[in-house]
Amino acid sequence: GQNIDQPTEMTATEGAIVQINCTYQTSGFNGLFWYQQHAGEAPTFLSYNVLDGLEEKGRFSSFLSRSKGYSYLLLKELQMKDSASYLCAVPDSNYQLIWGAGTKLIIKP
Amino acid sequence: EAGVTQFPSHSVIEKGQTVTLRCDPISGHDNLYWYRRVMGKEIKFLLHFVKESKQDESGMPNNRFLAERTGGTYSTLKVQPAELEDSGVYFCASSQDPAWHQYFGPGTRLLVL
Repeated sequence: GQNIDQPTEMTATEGAIVQINCTYQTSGFNGLFWYQQHAGEAPTFLSYNVLDGLEEKGRFSSFLSRSKGYSYLLLKELQMKDSASYLCAVPDSNYQLIWGAGTKLIIKP
Repeated sequence: EAGVTQFPSHSVIEKGQTVTLRCDPISGHDNLYWYRRVMGKEIKFLLHFVKESKQDESGMPNNRFLAERTGGTYSTLKVQPAELEDSGVYFCASSQDPAWHQYFGPGTRLLVL
């Protein structure tokens, strides 16, 4: 079976850096996605990692270690608008997304 | 380019009634997905269309749920008869290729009373 774990909630301060971790257990590997979801809105794509290492995209970076079944999303220079849920998702062998429960990120001034 | 749209945005029905949700994918996207998120739980896959064909419907909870995509354009998801546990947010997503990231619609919030 497949399992994805991520923290339920995290709190950080505006302007700071936060790292949201995701561990996964899958049979086979087709990459790992990070999505952002603001309350009441649709999930929006942030990043996709299929090779080990760090992918940087502006203030957001995503890291993957396939051998450890581990990924993290790094958010720098936090802004109030970054308050949202961050969802880790892994495609199964049919490319259907298996989702983590999401990490609710609360940004304080 | 218009994004994925869903209708209605909210639906409140009584147990035993029928509800039909609609999804219009991004034009040209052959792959269309339905997901559901029950409060407090993770998003769960329901099914995947490639054009008008059901590629994978392993996530459909039971036979009260019927999805169609006639003509390979928009899709409908019918729940008949609705039960209390069907309440949640139903998301539709589309992609050009199943290996690519999916674009999500705003969701339909269904409440069954």
